[in-house]
Amino acid sequence: GDSVTQMEGPVTLSEEAFLTINCTYTATGYPSLFWYVQYPGEGLQLLLKATKADDKGSNKGFEATYRKETTSFHLEKGSVQVSDSAVYFCALSALNTGTASKLTFGTGTRLQVTL
Amino acid sequence: NAGVMQNPRHLVRRRGQEARLRCSPMKGHSHVYWYRQLPEEGLKFMVYLQKENIIDESGMPKERFSAEFPKEGPSILRIQQVVRGDSAAYFCASSPTKESGNEQFFGPGTRLTVL
Repeated sequence: GDSVTQMEGPVTLSEEAFLTINCTYTATGYPSLFWYVQYPGEGLQLLLKATKADDKGSNKGFEATYRKETTSFHLEKGSVQVSDSAVYFCALSALNTGTASKLTFGTGTRLQVTL
Repeated sequence: NAGVMQNPRHLVRRRGQEARLRCSPMKGHSHVYWYRQLPEEGLKFMVYLQKENIIDESGMPKERFSAEFPKEGPSILRIQQVVRGDSAAYFCASSPTKESGNEQFFGPGTRLTVL
């Protein structure tokens, strides 16, 4: 079945440091890939997405590139801020022979940014 | 345009009681998904519904759990005879279509605590 593997956290960085959160996936066919962010006590918000190989999703300084050859979708940001502290989830969605396009999530990576 | 709404935000039940969680999708969205998040874990798919139809319930426990999305009104996730292991955050998401390229919009979640 489909699966998503993320690097374990927590990740602790100083403000303005470079961020990478690794994500790899296993799926049949050609999934769409997503990064969601969850702030404490809140629901998930879509951060960025990519729907086909070599697409780059970007938003708020974050970016991730859909790499089919390495089945990866690593999240990066050049300079993190304290306000980026949250839990980040990598997810995929793949149409199968049915009609569902449910999301399959990784376990999440907690990011803590300090001054 | 109001986002996905869930209520209640917090629900406390004693073992053996029933829990009823409600979800109103975004306006114009006819696809609803329920996910469960156990403490310190990622989200797990439970069920996918369209109006008056269950499309995929492959993630639902076989007993005590049921879901509906009536023609009028919100989607309901019902848990009968709750046990401590049901304590979790339950998130609803909606999308306008079923295609995997379309993102799912999440509600703030209902945090269920079973005493």
